[in-house]
Amino acid sequence: GESVGLHLPTLSVQEGDNSIINCAYSNSASDYFIWYKQESGKGPQFIIDIRSNMDKRQGQRVTVLLNKTVKHLSLQIAATQPGDSAVYFCAEKVSGSARQLTFGSGTQLTVLP
Amino acid sequence: ETGVTQSPTHLIKTRGQQVTLRCSSQSGHNTVSWYQQALGQGPQFIFQYYREEENGRGNFPPRFSGLQFPNYSSELNVNALELDDSALYLCASSLGTGAGTGELFFGEGSRLTVL
Repeated sequence: GESVGLHLPTLSVQEGDNSIINCAYSNSASDYFIWYKQESGKGPQFIIDIRSNMDKRQGQRVTVLLNKTVKHLSLQIAATQPGDSAVYFCAEKVSGSARQLTFGSGTQLTVLP
Repeated sequence: ETGVTQSPTHLIKTRGQQVTLRCSSQSGHNTVSWYQQALGQGPQFIFQYYREEENGRGNFPPRFSGLQFPNYSSELNVNALELDDSALYLCASSLGTGAGTGELFFGEGSRLTVL
């Protein structure tokens, strides 16, 4: 996953615009990837997942893209709303591991009115 | 609401003390995982319990231990607390063993402060 640091990357978008949050992962043996949303004072909430045999998956207003060649994952949020403001984490699972997830350091998304 | 409940929500301990955190998994879920989340960072995997046995462990010392009970609820115990143990401790429940995929349902966490 991403290197752990003290500074949380931030992204500010206008309400109604699309958001793109990026994530780099390091383990080529990872076969499952998940995006989580974490609001202040709460636990991570599942958004969308994707297996390594796919390169795109769509949900309601969200799309996850996976590029295994460059070990890159992205989350696209369409028509961003104020309720989307939160920290977003990507997580990866290595094939065969005990559903042990390795989380990135997160991106703080702020939606501006 | 994920149906995963954790207690206590907040607690303060001093260095060297011991702490026990508790988690009730979502109904029907037989697997519980524990994560440590330091401020400003992503959660880090501590260990997972499946059918009352430890089923995977992250890079945490032996003073971090756990239990899972027949009703699938779980405890995380930390001995000889250190200042760096201050963090949000998250419990996540899921169904089945860890080999496959499947959504993890997280609780709201227990915020531990070590002074």
